[in-house]
Amino acid sequence: AQSVSQHNHHVILSEAASLELGCNYSYGGTVNLFWYVQYPGQHLQLLLKYFSGDPLVKGIKGFEAEFIKSKFSFNLRKPSVQWSDTAEYFCAVNAYGFQKLVFGTGTRLLVSP
Amino acid sequence: GAVVSQHPSRVICKSGTSVKIECRSLDFQATTMFWYRQFPKQSLMLMATSNEGSKATYEQGVEKDKFLINHASLTLSTLTVTSAHPEDSSFYICSASVSPTGGREKLFFGSGTQLSVL
Repeated sequence: AQSVSQHNHHVILSEAASLELGCNYSYGGTVNLFWYVQYPGQHLQLLLKYFSGDPLVKGIKGFEAEFIKSKFSFNLRKPSVQWSDTAEYFCAVNAYGFQKLVFGTGTRLLVSP
Repeated sequence: GAVVSQHPSRVICKSGTSVKIECRSLDFQATTMFWYRQFPKQSLMLMATSNEGSKATYEQGVEKDKFLINHASLTLSTLTVTSAHPEDSSFYICSASVSPTGGREKLFFGSGTQLSVL
């Protein structure tokens, strides 16, 4: 069965600090990978996704993620965070050909001004 | 992007009562909708997959008689928590699937429903 691990449950950063949120998954086959974000009081929104091709994926709001197949990882990065990035971030995996989306436990990011 | 409306956003009910949560796709037709549940400090867990006009497919460990799912139209799916108990208190969220012609499937999420059973 697929599973997703997000190692950091809570992260606190100051504005302009760099961000990296870890995500590892367990599944031996081809996967689609996602990062979702949920801002306070809002819907889950797709931040970025990887299906195939360039393993470095750029998303909205300056976020990027790198798929490292050998490490089963899909870490999310942003070089300089802003206060408005305060949110909960979820990594998710979908085994290719299946509709089921498996989520990590989420990471709450608090950016202090 | 496409909008999925979920209602209510928060509900408090007494133990033993039933609660209905609606999930609507506002500007597209969703042949497939998904229901997830999230307990505090845990992952979003898929509960069931709902296809319009057919019975929902439940994940292992999810009681189909307790969590009734109806997907009567291409824009509406409902989740009814029957005879709710305090352990059913959780955050429930739906998503709707769109498969554009020639494109990959996309998922859009509702805003979630926080259920508290007293």
